[in-house]
Amino acid sequence: LAKTTQPISMDSYEGQEVNITCSHNNIATNDYITWYQQFPSQGPRFIIQGYKTKVTNEVASLFIPADRKSSTLSLPRVSLSDTAVYYCLVGAAAWGSNYQLIWGAGTKLIIKP
Amino acid sequence: DAEITQSPRHKITETGRQVTLACHQTWNHNNMFWYRQDLGHGLRLIHYSYGVHDTNKGEVSDGYSVSRSNTEDLPLTLESAASSQTSVYFCASSESKRGGTDTQYFGPGTRLTVL
Repeated sequence: LAKTTQPISMDSYEGQEVNITCSHNNIATNDYITWYQQFPSQGPRFIIQGYKTKVTNEVASLFIPADRKSSTLSLPRVSLSDTAVYYCLVGAAAWGSNYQLIWGAGTKLIIKP
Repeated sequence: DAEITQSPRHKITETGRQVTLACHQTWNHNNMFWYRQDLGHGLRLIHYSYGVHDTNKGEVSDGYSVSRSNTEDLPLTLESAASSQTSVYFCASSESKRGGTDTQYFGPGTRLTVL
């Protein structure tokens, strides 16, 4: 089973680029990597998902090396409103009897003015 | 607008009591999930459902049960509440049958305290 490991916390400043890395050494062939953002007293919210190489959307980029044993969420030019907990999720592409969703413990990102 | 709601938002109960947490989604999604969230553990999957009358155990299912009688609802029951089940519970739903690759939409959570 894939186990995900991510830093407990990170600090940065407004306007900087922030990179959060997740380690998932035992990722399976069918697993995708998804990142979620969570604010206090709210449920997590989808940010981005990828399988390999690089994916970019309007809010973030996701870099996945060829061996897929890690992934890096990149947030460009962060603002105070990006202060949140960020979760890495590794999950199978197809439902099966041994299907599991493996969430990281979360990275608390604090953005300072 | 489509949404996913949970009730109650806060619940205090006593050890040994049966507790049911409600989850209702208007996305018309096939898949629904229940998670618990504890400090240092992130989210852990309790049960999930692919559709009506389908339920499956997640990694921390002991002491919990679910049933799916319609598309919109997946209630979570704690048969005999224990202090170890004090947690924040999140319900989520997703659209397709592809499981982990789908975008999950989360409810606001229920904070349960077992005394």
